[in-house]
Amino acid sequence: GQQVMQIPQYQHVQEGEDFTTYCNSSTTLSNIQWYKQRPGGHPVFLIQLVKSGEVKKQKRLTFQFGEAKKNSSLHITATQTTDVGTYFCAGRGYGGSQGNLIFGKGTKLSVKP
Amino acid sequence: DADVTQTPRNRITKTGKRIMLECSQTKGHDRMYWYRQDPGLGLRLIYYSFDVKDINKGEISDGYSVSRQAQAKFSLSLESAIPNQTALYFCATSDPFRGTEAFFGQGTRLTVV
Repeated sequence: GQQVMQIPQYQHVQEGEDFTTYCNSSTTLSNIQWYKQRPGGHPVFLIQLVKSGEVKKQKRLTFQFGEAKKNSSLHITATQTTDVGTYFCAGRGYGGSQGNLIFGKGTKLSVKP
Repeated sequence: DADVTQTPRNRITKTGKRIMLECSQTKGHDRMYWYRQDPGLGLRLIYYSFDVKDINKGEISDGYSVSRQAQAKFSLSLESAIPNQTALYFCATSDPFRGTEAFFGQGTRLTVV
């Protein structure tokens, strides 16, 4: 079945350093979403990418969707302590049960002040 | 009030006991989901429901059952709890035909002793 792989599993950075997490799907996706889960919290939607090659920015966060719609990345510039949490990608396939979101295992980001 | 409400928020139960986790939503979404979160394993889909009459198994349905009592309510049961079902459980809703994001409840932390 459809799988979404996400790396790295953990990332420890010094405040001010950049951070990137990558997702790769075994199948072509209709769209991909990114979520952030703060420690002790629940996943919260950040953004959805739909178009091949799409790039979206939210302040210091840059999201990319690959040309083949099978991979995606989230890049954070100049991390801050407020960026701490686990970042999940979630890919959606086409039709039926494939329309469900399949989550990657997440990248847990820690930021040292 | 939260869009997706889970009860209880925390529960400790004994091996062999039956337990029900409840979820209600005010989003008006047809699709509801139950996920399980374990450290390093991300979010794994247990069951999902397209509407009241449509319930489907997810990736890890063994040992679990669900009931969709109404569009707004989706409950998860552990018929005979076992220690390896200790985890954080999330309910979520979405409307994938509009491509919208998933909205998560606050989570239920279940411990089976």
